[in-house]
Amino acid sequence: GQQVMQIPQYQHVQEGEDFTTYCNSSTTLSNIQWYKQRPGGHPVFLIQLVKSGEVKKQKRLTFQFGEAKKNSSLHITATQTTDVGTYFCAVTNTDKLIFGTGTRLQVFP
Amino acid sequence: DTAVSQTPKYLVTQMGNDKSIKCEQNLGHDTMYWYKQDSKKFLKIMFSYNNKELIINETVPNRFSPKSPDKAHLNLHINSLELGDSAVYFCASSQANEQFFGPGTRLTVL
Repeated sequence: GQQVMQIPQYQHVQEGEDFTTYCNSSTTLSNIQWYKQRPGGHPVFLIQLVKSGEVKKQKRLTFQFGEAKKNSSLHITATQTTDVGTYFCAVTNTDKLIFGTGTRLQVFP
Repeated sequence: DTAVSQTPKYLVTQMGNDKSIKCEQNLGHDTMYWYKQDSKKFLKIMFSYNNKELIINETVPNRFSPKSPDKAHLNLHINSLELGDSAVYFCASSQANEQFFGPGTRLTVL
């Protein structure tokens, strides 16, 4: 079946440092979504990317969809302690959402 | 004003028991899902219902039986619980692509 890998699995940063998580698919994607799950919480939708090479920004978060539509990245500039959580990419495959393996971000004050 | 709600939030039970988790959404969405999240945070779809009709069943043991009495509700019944069933179960709903998740039910099987 389709696999969606994310790297790194874990990332510890000092507050103020930047953070990037990468999502890679074995197949070409029609779209990609990103979700954030706070510790003890539930996944919350952040954004969807559809077009090849698309870049979208939400405040300190920058999302990018690869030109070949097989990978995506989420970059956080100047992390804050509120950014702590697990970030998942998710791809659509025949009416269902397949979630990536997730990147757990820890931010030290 | 909770969009997707689940009960109970925590469930601790003995191996071999039968238990149910309930889910309700007030968003008017047609599609609802059950996901399982294991201890390593892997999130995997179990079932999907569209307007009360089962559309996805992801090789889940038949001890798990979802039921959708109407399009706002999707319940999950689990028979003969096993240790490996311990996980967080999330209900979700969607209309287009974006999924809205419930708060989760943490199931612990002893």
